[in-house]
Amino acid sequence: GQNIDQPTEMTATEGAIVQINCTYQTSGFNGLFWYQQHAGEAPTFLSYNVLDGLEEKGRFSSFLSRSKGYSYLLLKELQMKDSASYLCAVRDLYNYGQNFVFGPGTRLSVLP
Amino acid sequence: EAGVTQFPSHSVIEKGQTVTLRCDPISGHDNLYWYRRVMGKEIKFLLHFVKESKQDESGMPNNRFLAERTGGTYSTLKVQPAELEDSGVYFCASSQREAGANVLTFGAGSRLTVL
Repeated sequence: GQNIDQPTEMTATEGAIVQINCTYQTSGFNGLFWYQQHAGEAPTFLSYNVLDGLEEKGRFSSFLSRSKGYSYLLLKELQMKDSASYLCAVRDLYNYGQNFVFGPGTRLSVLP
Repeated sequence: EAGVTQFPSHSVIEKGQTVTLRCDPISGHDNLYWYRRVMGKEIKFLLHFVKESKQDESGMPNNRFLAERTGGTYSTLKVQPAELEDSGVYFCASSQREAGANVLTFGAGSRLTVL
């Protein structure tokens, strides 16, 4: 089976940096994705990691360590609009084929 | 390009009734997925179409759920008869490719409330 854990809620201040962690256990790891979801809206793609290391994309970066079953999403220069849920999703070849297994999501609140 | 659209955005029905949810994927996307999120829990996979064929329906909870994708374009998900535990948000997603950096584009979801 698979198990994906994320903190339920986080709070940070506008302009600050926040790191959202994700740990996972899978039988056949084949990629990790981060999605952002504002309330009542569609989840939108942020980043993809399949090899170890850091992927940077503007204010957002995502890190992966396959040996530790660990990833984090780093958000820099936080803005109020970054208040949303952040979903960690893993593709596990031995479960649901090429489809995603989602974590519970982390609700981030950015305060002024 | 138009995104993934879902209809209705919200449906309220009574236990035992039937509801049909519709998803229009991004044009040209052969892969279409249904997911759902119930009672604040994680989003869970229901099934995956490649064109009109069901590639994987291992996530479908029971035979009260029927998904179709006739012609390989839009898809419908029917719940008949609906039960209280079916309440939740049903998401549809589509993608061009199946493997690799397969980015799913999600719709905004159809919220189903069963009373």
